[in-house]
Amino acid sequence: QQQVKQSPQSLIVQKGGISIINCAYENTAFDYFPWYQQFPGKGPALLIAIRPDVSEKKEGRFTISFNKSAKQFSLHIMDSQPGDSATYFCAASMGYSSASKIIFGSGTRLSIRP
Amino acid sequence: DGGITQSPKYLFRKEGQNVTLSCEQNLNHDAMYWYRQDPGQGLRLIYYSQIVNDFQKGDIAEGYSVSREKKESFPLTVTSAQKNPTAFYLCASSTQRARSNNEQFFGPGTRLTVL
Repeated sequence: QQQVKQSPQSLIVQKGGISIINCAYENTAFDYFPWYQQFPGKGPALLIAIRPDVSEKKEGRFTISFNKSAKQFSLHIMDSQPGDSATYFCAASMGYSSASKIIFGSGTRLSIRP
Repeated sequence: DGGITQSPKYLFRKEGQNVTLSCEQNLNHDAMYWYRQDPGQGLRLIYYSQIVNDFQKGDIAEGYSVSREKKESFPLTVTSAQKNPTAFYLCASSTQRARSNNEQFFGPGTRLTVL
């Protein structure tokens, strides 16, 4: 019940296309859903995050869509660029309180073809 | 320049040796975390600490030990009991404030290889 399932494991998208990564969770107590971006040999960094009281959050070319009833959320990258090539992790936590554990998905390796 | 530093960047260990990975932060964060990253398996939590002189086991604590004697430092020791220690190790920290975003800030990682 603590797992966050992420798909696909790898994704190749043409430059200018839309990249979509999906995640699903079971624990309805989760109330914070971040996405992290990791470049090779580096630590992950927070990209964008959402709380379950909204269905969508957009920051530039990055959008999180959230479906509370289905317990699913997804990351959309519009106009994908070669610089977006990285590994993306979705995550979930009971985070809107004191510091708590974050449960990470298994990651998606995204490659943007020029 | 605030952030998290990890050292060394690369570490080689012979079988049967204990090694200690360093993690230091100057973000004034109360909570600190250690993760292990293997290809295709995401980030798995080893240990975490919410306050000085206190820490809890994560999902894969066997074969590892930590200490939290100072707020800024959270070293991880990989002991000889860890059967497959070759991996990329990541340290992170976050605030402890209620109703915060709980963003975890990650260090650059240490790649440990057992020879």
